[in-house]
Amino acid sequence: DQQVKQNSPSLSVQEGRISILNCDYTNSMFDYFLWYKKYPAEGPTFLISISSIKDKNEDGRFTVFLNKSAKHLSLHIVPSQPGDSAVYFCAASGRGSTLGRLYFGRGTQLTVWP
Amino acid sequence: GAGVSQSPSNKVTEKGKDVELRCDPISGHTALYWYRQRLGQGLEFLIYFQGNSAPDKSGLPSDRFSAERTGESVSTLTIQRTQQEDSAVYLCASSHRTSGYNEQFFGPGTRLTVL
Repeated sequence: DQQVKQNSPSLSVQEGRISILNCDYTNSMFDYFLWYKKYPAEGPTFLISISSIKDKNEDGRFTVFLNKSAKHLSLHIVPSQPGDSAVYFCAASGRGSTLGRLYFGRGTQLTVWP
Repeated sequence: GAGVSQSPSNKVTEKGKDVELRCDPISGHTALYWYRQRLGQGLEFLIYFQGNSAPDKSGLPSDRFSAERTGESVSTLTIQRTQQEDSAVYLCASSHRTSGYNEQFFGPGTRLTVL
């Protein structure tokens, strides 16, 4: 049972434009959300996170938005750069589960073309 | 400083053989996690170690899978009598804090192929 869903397996965006990656979750106990970026043959690297007490968190070109009522979060990258091309994983954690255990989506392959 | 390291980076084995995968967490990190990623899937939780507490094994898919950790250092994941469906990238992560939420740092993974 997939508790974190990324319904778009791929996204292609032109350099300089905005990339929007989406993620939905089903477990109302989740209260902490993270985005990881993964290059081929490397482990995932942490990008940005958000607690459920917030609805927005920004770090440079990366902003994560959380809509708790819709159980939806999104990652915005502005402006997109070719080096952003990677697989992006949405992850969630929360009360009642193993402390810090992360539930991952299947990932979205982002391609930024010049 | 050094990140999480894993060995081997690649392992090809025959069905029915046992394999052992190793993880060296970041020094001082008390929490250690094993995940696996099968082709086209997200990361799937396997097991969690926190200090000297009993590990949370709730994600292990069968009794062929086991893991050990010595104190707050190296961990090994053992798969006995491997099956083709065990083929995946096995990822290890470690984190510092024991309470609240915190970033997990991942190793590069071990790609296991069972023929």
